Amino acid sequence: DAGVTQSPTHLIKTRGQHVTLRCSPISGHKSVSWYQQVLGQGPQFIFQYYEKEERGRGNFPDRFSARQFPNYSSELNVNALLLGDSALYLCASSYVGLPPFFGQGTRLTVV
Amino acid sequence: KNEVEQSPQNLTAQEGEFITINCSYSVGISALHWLQQHPGGGIVSLFMLSSGKKKHGRLIATINIQEKHSSLHITASHPRDSAVYICALLKGGTGNQFYFGTGTSLTVIP
Repeated sequence: DAGVTQSPTHLIKTRGQHVTLRCSPISGHKSVSWYQQVLGQGPQFIFQYYEKEERGRGNFPDRFSARQFPNYSSELNVNALLLGDSALYLCASSYVGLPPFFGQGTRLTVV
Repeated sequence: KNEVEQSPQNLTAQEGEFITINCSYSVGISALHWLQQHPGGGIVSLFMLSSGKKKHGRLIATINIQEKHSSLHITASHPRDSAVYICALLKGGTGNQFYFGTGTSLTVIP
C-alpha cells in the first residue's frame, strides 16, 4: 500500500487565484481529514469527511471547501487565495478507532 | 486559551539525555495521540493513549485522565530523534477530528 498520497507536493499561486489539492487515502480507510499547518504552529483542523459526507468543519472561511469521492479520495478547494493561506496542507486518513495516517502534505505558497 | 498546551516549545538535548515533553488539555477526550513530524512535513503516529502507559523502544508515553495530562519520554536520546513532537486529541463525541498542540521542536546534539 502506498500510504496516504497527496498532490501536488508543492504549489505556488498568486493572490486571488483558486487551488485544488488532492488526497488519496489508504485502501479501506473511509475517513479523510484536512489540516492547515502554518510555519511554526501545529496543524489546524479544516474538514473531515466520512463515507462521502462532511462530518466536521473547523473555523475556516467559506473560501475553503472540500468533497470526498466514491473511491474515498478527497479534494480541498480554496478560492480567492490570500497571502495568509500559505501553509502546509495535510491530509489524514483513518479507520475507525485506529491512529491516523498522514500524507506528506502539499506546500502552498501564495505570492 | 488553546485546548491543548504543550511544553516546552523548543528543546535542545545532548545525545544520551532523558527527555520529557508535556501535554495538558482542558476538554474531554476519547484518545490522545503523540505524533512525530520530520522536516518536510511527514507526520507519523507514535502512540495512541486512552489510559495508562505505553512503551515502544526508547519511547514511553503516559496519560493521566483525571489530571488531563500526558507526557512523552525519550530515553537515551539520539540525533535521529530530532523532530517536532505533537500532542493531538480526539475529542469525545467529535468522531475523528483531531485538535493539535503547537508542537515541541526537539534537537539532539551528538
